[in-house]
Amino acid sequence: ETGVTQTPRHLVMGMTNKKSLKCEQHLGHNAMYWYKQSAKKPLELMFVYSLEERVENNSVPSRFSPECPNSSHLFLHLHTLQPEDSALYLCASSLGTGYDEQYFGPGTRLTVT
Amino acid sequence: AQKITQTQPGMFVQEKEAVTLDCTYDTSDQSYGLFWYKQPSSGEMIFLIYQGSYDEQNATEGRYSLNFQKARKSANLVISASQLGDSAMYFCAMRGAIKYSSASKIIFGSGTRLSIRP
Repeated sequence: ETGVTQTPRHLVMGMTNKKSLKCEQHLGHNAMYWYKQSAKKPLELMFVYSLEERVENNSVPSRFSPECPNSSHLFLHLHTLQPEDSALYLCASSLGTGYDEQYFGPGTRLTVT
Repeated sequence: AQKITQTQPGMFVQEKEAVTLDCTYDTSDQSYGLFWYKQPSSGEMIFLIYQGSYDEQNATEGRYSLNFQKARKSANLVISASQLGDSAMYFCAMRGAIKYSSASKIIFGSGTRLSIRP
């Protein structure tokens, strides 16, 4: 596999469920990111990980819990979500110099019922 | 505060014509970077082109070029000889002064939906 992969591609969950989104990058990058893309809103940065350490939490509710066990893998654990959390969740990675572009995965389309 | 503005929510262009997508930005940082991404209906954000604030020449990548006018704070994307496969959402994005030594923080505009007519 090449690039950035995300699983699952589609997820429907109830408000009481617990699920996890997975992101894997095969680019040898050191930084990883979670974004939320809602309809008619700009892309929102949620979390930034650099060398497996969380360096930014952009005022994200605690029902979203990220985990970065190593520089190639990033998870987003979801619990007791709200319908307004329905969105496309995009993972990205970058080399880690601070100047470089980010490469995105295909996203997980999440629907909360 | 940093801000990216894309004033064209949607555009229709005839195949093989050139198209310009507008982007203006606001920042107080002296050093910054500007990006353009393409998002097809499949959802993946595809990196197209990058321009650094100190780059003297406009960036080009194949059919893509970035018309960078620093004094006007604009970074328009020009696509030459448009193709049907160019139909997608296009996002302008900006990275400000380096905040972390090993990660980049990018903010995105609201996007322009480009539709190419055959």
